[in-house]
Amino acid sequence: SAVISQKPSRDICQRGTSLTIQCQVDSQVTMMFWYRQQPGQSLTLIATANQGSEATYESGFVIDKFPISRPNLTFSTLTVSNMSPEDSSIYLCSVDPVGRGSYNEQFFGPGTRLTVL
Amino acid sequence: GENVEQHPSTLSVQEGDSAVIKCTYSDSASNYFPWYKQELGKGPQLIIDIRSNVGEKKDQRIAVTLNKTAKHFSLHITETQPEDSAVYFCAASIEDTGRRALTFGSGTRLQVQP
Repeated sequence: SAVISQKPSRDICQRGTSLTIQCQVDSQVTMMFWYRQQPGQSLTLIATANQGSEATYESGFVIDKFPISRPNLTFSTLTVSNMSPEDSSIYLCSVDPVGRGSYNEQFFGPGTRLTVL
Repeated sequence: GENVEQHPSTLSVQEGDSAVIKCTYSDSASNYFPWYKQELGKGPQLIIDIRSNVGEKKDQRIAVTLNKTAKHFSLHITETQPEDSAVYFCAASIEDTGRRALTFGSGTRLQVQP
């Protein structure tokens, strides 16, 4: 498995502002994913971060609200834009191990706990 | 799309007892079924997975069974210990296709009483 770190680990933000979350992996990975976990709930995929191309968003999530960057094979960012209290969640990045040819074996970072006031 | 249902939502057992968590899925094309353990304040940790070409897989005290006909799979933890207390999530996906997103169940909060 890969070692995944996220920054910040937590933040408290004012509504209307934006926050960029960073995800760093200790090895090159083919695919990186961003999930949202609302309080006490399950995980919902926001988008797949593709290196060298635009992210692929799931139904209900749009690029204007959650812009994603993937400049190389070890790093990605997710921005939560124009935040409202409904965006208060844990945001998690996950990766697939390079070389296995399958991106189903996903390993998760520790998460970023966001509170919007 | 895929829908995964997970039961029970909470489970309390005595230390040393067994715990069983069950999931059902809707898409018969799904062929990969991982289980994650999430401790408080941490990200989910992959603990075991199973693919549709096998019916059972074991790893020490943890086992997963899969019934493709009935479209359900289960997590079995034997000889539970207090450190097994966490939230467990099942998931399902289709490997080897262009879109391999994991669909998660709603989670089971397991409490092991010492």
